[in-house]
Amino acid sequence: NAGVTQTPKFRVLKTGQSMTLLCAQDMNHEYMYWYRQDPGMGLRLIHYSVGEGTTAKGEVPDGYNVSRLKKQNFLLGLESAAPSQTSVYFCASRRESFYNEQFFGPGTRLTVL
Amino acid sequence: SQELEQSPQSLIVQEGKNLTINCTSSKTLYGLYWYKQKYGEGLIFLMMLQKGGEEKSHEKITAKLDEKKQQSSLHITASQPSHAGIYLCGASTGTASKLTFGTGTRLQVTL
Repeated sequence: NAGVTQTPKFRVLKTGQSMTLLCAQDMNHEYMYWYRQDPGMGLRLIHYSVGEGTTAKGEVPDGYNVSRLKKQNFLLGLESAAPSQTSVYFCASRRESFYNEQFFGPGTRLTVL
Repeated sequence: SQELEQSPQSLIVQEGKNLTINCTSSKTLYGLYWYKQKYGEGLIFLMMLQKGGEEKSHEKITAKLDEKKQQSSLHITASQPSHAGIYLCGASTGTASKLTFGTGTRLQVTL
């Protein structure tokens, strides 16, 4: 099993450009999450999904959109990138049972100039 | 909203020494997760605690949740360079089992 994979690993954007980050998991997990990690602020939840076709807002959703058209994929979109969105983005997934841990991808390092 | 405070923020220890990292919550913890992150990589799950007084160990790492379920500690015995990284605690917030994370403790192990 590949676990949770993220594409791309690195990306540099100019202000105003758009892009999509792809997260894929092969563990048949129901729940998927997108986080951003910034120095001194830990991990903050952007959006999450409790199943195919569903999405919900997390702690810091502004400027991002998500889609979960297939159970194994969770896409994070930036429509008009801003320098404040420079961060490391992590995707995670977990089984539905309450006390199961989240499995994390390797991260995408995004720089917006 | 639940807040998690980790202490210390960073730690430098000599190889072979013991160390403890603390995670204190502003609310009762119903599921406390410890993760390790190597620099530039994703998070690796270490262990999860849910019952007051619960203690779990894996190799040289022991985690404990206090009886009142508002603080957890992570103890590393006889530290090794492989223990270096960032340790994060995460607390379950209920709905959809979202996790709130602490800001992390950066551990360096010197030879």
